[in-house]
Amino acid sequence: EVQLAESGGGLVQPGRSLRLSCGASGFNFETSEMNWVRQAPGKGLEWISHITWSGRVAFYADSVRGRFTISRDNAKAELFLDMNSLRAEDTAIYYCVKESSRGYYLDMWGQGTLVTVS
Amino acid sequence: DIQMTQSPSTLSASVGDTITITCRANKNLNNWLAWVQQKPGKVPTLLIYDTSILDRGVPSRFSGSGSGTHFTLTISSLQPEDFATYYCQYYDSTSKTFGQGTRVEVK
Repeated sequence: EVQLAESGGGLVQPGRSLRLSCGASGFNFETSEMNWVRQAPGKGLEWISHITWSGRVAFYADSVRGRFTISRDNAKAELFLDMNSLRAEDTAIYYCVKESSRGYYLDMWGQGTLVTVS
Repeated sequence: DIQMTQSPSTLSASVGDTITITCRANKNLNNWLAWVQQKPGKVPTLLIYDTSILDRGVPSRFSGSGSGTHFTLTISSLQPEDFATYYCQYYDSTSKTFGQGTRVEVK
């Protein structure tokens, strides 16, 4: 069974940093492209970052580019999101999301971790 | 950048109804369009990918169609568990873009 378990969320002051982690199991993590998607309270879904299977290439939404960094440890099957210069508008549930091996669509979501910037 | 516009924002319906949600893009999506369901307080789940292919376990009352810049999600014979928010989503090798969502509520 595919499992994605995010951790690291919490309450943080504006301007500070936070690192989110996502532990993966039940699939071949080291060949899977991975993403982070967030959802502000009562709002819609916002894709924020994608990392290739090798970890060599990453893409970001304009809203987080230059402040957030996605990375991965394939040996430990873990995905990370380092968030710097946090703002109140970064308050959201952050989901770790797996990309399908057959296309670019997102096929499995973690349970999410709540980040509150206040 | 790809912009996705869903309509309506809210849809009121009854069990047994057939409903349609529309998603329009400002550029050709090459059929790289998914539909995602999110029930209240729950994690989003994939319903449909590549415009019309149902993900494993998704009931056949869900269907997707469209091409180019215009896509639709149809739910036939709406069931109680279908009251949720639905998002269309464009995807490619470098980014994803969600529509703003359509909340399907009880009439």
